[in-house]
Amino acid sequence: KAGVTQTPRYLIKTRGQQVTLSCSPISGHRSVSWYQQTPGQGLQFLFEYFSETQRNKGNFPGRFSGRQFSNSRSEMNVSTLELGDSALYLCASRGGWSGANVLTFGAGSRLTVL
Amino acid sequence: GESVGLHLPTLSVQEGDNSIINCAYSNSASDYFIWYKQESGKGPQFIIDIRSNMDKRQGQRVTVLLNKTVKHLSLQIAATQPGDSAVYFCAEMGNTPLVFGKGTRLSVIA
Repeated sequence: KAGVTQTPRYLIKTRGQQVTLSCSPISGHRSVSWYQQTPGQGLQFLFEYFSETQRNKGNFPGRFSGRQFSNSRSEMNVSTLELGDSALYLCASRGGWSGANVLTFGAGSRLTVL
Repeated sequence: GESVGLHLPTLSVQEGDNSIINCAYSNSASDYFIWYKQESGKGPQFIIDIRSNMDKRQGQRVTVLLNKTVKHLSLQIAATQPGDSAVYFCAEMGNTPLVFGKGTRLSVIA
């Protein structure tokens, strides 16, 4: 079956702009998580959605937001972009909410802020 | 100690040798652990997992060891191959979402 699909793969924005990233989870998976990966901080948890509800949120400012649709597809939005937002944004899906369900990651969306 | 990003700890091994990658985790409440492999330009890929009620688990060419007393995980790769070159992350989950370590870069010398 198809894996986790993230679009766009690469994008360049300027400071102050906003960006929306999209994630299509594995078919049947209802949980979607987002992570930010930077050389300085590694992989940091942004938020997790399950059945259209945000279940967990990491320690990021309110400029970072997300949502999940009824088909489990998810989007994340970053407003008023800063240079420090340049990163690889990774989406991951898993089948269930509780228990040790393995996260399957997409290839990521690489955002460059100029 | 662990470095981050461009200064990731690096392990260089000869092709065919065994590799051991170590990880210290922080949360004593974590009860599930995963090792991921990330190749350049790709997202992290699941390798093997282990629950806290186990101290060892084996997969194909990989073994994970868990020492809860000292909060330490290790990933052993047997007969390391060039395709094993990547950054390896341990991740822990307990009463928090999956938390990743900073990673170790494995370089295989042919």
